[in-house]
Amino acid sequence: EAQVTQNPRYLITVTGKKLTVTCSQNMNHEYMSWYRQDPGLGLRQIYYSMNVEVTDKGDVPEGYKVSRKEKRNFPLILESPSPNQTSLYFCASSLSTLAALHFGNGTRLTVT
Amino acid sequence: GENVEQHPSTLSVQEGDSAVIKCTYSDSASNYFPWYKQELGKGPQLIIDIRSNVGEKKDQRIAVTLNKTAKHFSLHITETQPEDSAVYFCAASRRNSGGYQKVTFGIGTKLQVIP
Repeated sequence: EAQVTQNPRYLITVTGKKLTVTCSQNMNHEYMSWYRQDPGLGLRQIYYSMNVEVTDKGDVPEGYKVSRKEKRNFPLILESPSPNQTSLYFCASSLSTLAALHFGNGTRLTVT
Repeated sequence: GENVEQHPSTLSVQEGDSAVIKCTYSDSASNYFPWYKQELGKGPQLIIDIRSNVGEKKDQRIAVTLNKTAKHFSLHITETQPEDSAVYFCAASRRNSGGYQKVTFGIGTKLQVIP
C-alpha cells in the first residue's frame, strides 16, 4: 500500500531534550516536506526537500533541522525543543512539483 | 510571500444541502490550487485541484471554480452527506526561485453535516 509513515504518533517530552520524528514513504517520490498544524493558523511548511541531499527552509524553520540521506526518509529533528513547538506535525511527499501531496497521519508533540 | 485567506472557519449544513467554502490568494503568479480534506486523526487528503488555465472543474458532487482576475477560488459540495464532515483546506501554489512549487494553505474550514 502506498503510504507515508510517521513515527511516533504521539510524543510528550521536556524542554531541551533532543528528539527526532521519522518519516518514510514507499512511493519513490522525489519531493518531501514537513508541516506543522496549529489552530487558527492552518498548515505551515517547516522544511522541504527536492531530492536526496537537497533541502531548504519553509516558512517556519526556526528550531528545526532535517536531513535527506535517502530518497524514502526525511526525519525532522528538534535539537532543543521548546513549549512553542507543541503542535501537530505532518510529513508529506509528492511525485512532482504539481502533483498531490500525500500526507502521513501526523505526530502530536507536546513539549512541557 | 503568498497569503491565502479562507472562510468561513466553521460551517454547518443540513444533510442534502450544499456547502460552499471560499478562498482568496494574493500572489498573481500562483498557478495551482488544490483542496484537501482532513478527517479526524488523519492527514489531509487531496479531493480536487484546479490549474490556472481552467475556470471550473467538477468531480461528482464536488466542484471548484477559479476567478484569476479577482484571485478567488471556491469549493462547492452538493447533496452533502454526513461523511463529508471534516476540515477542508484550500491552498495556492507557485514556483519559487529554486524551481520548487511552494504550497501555501488556508486556515481550514470545519464542515459539519447534520443528519
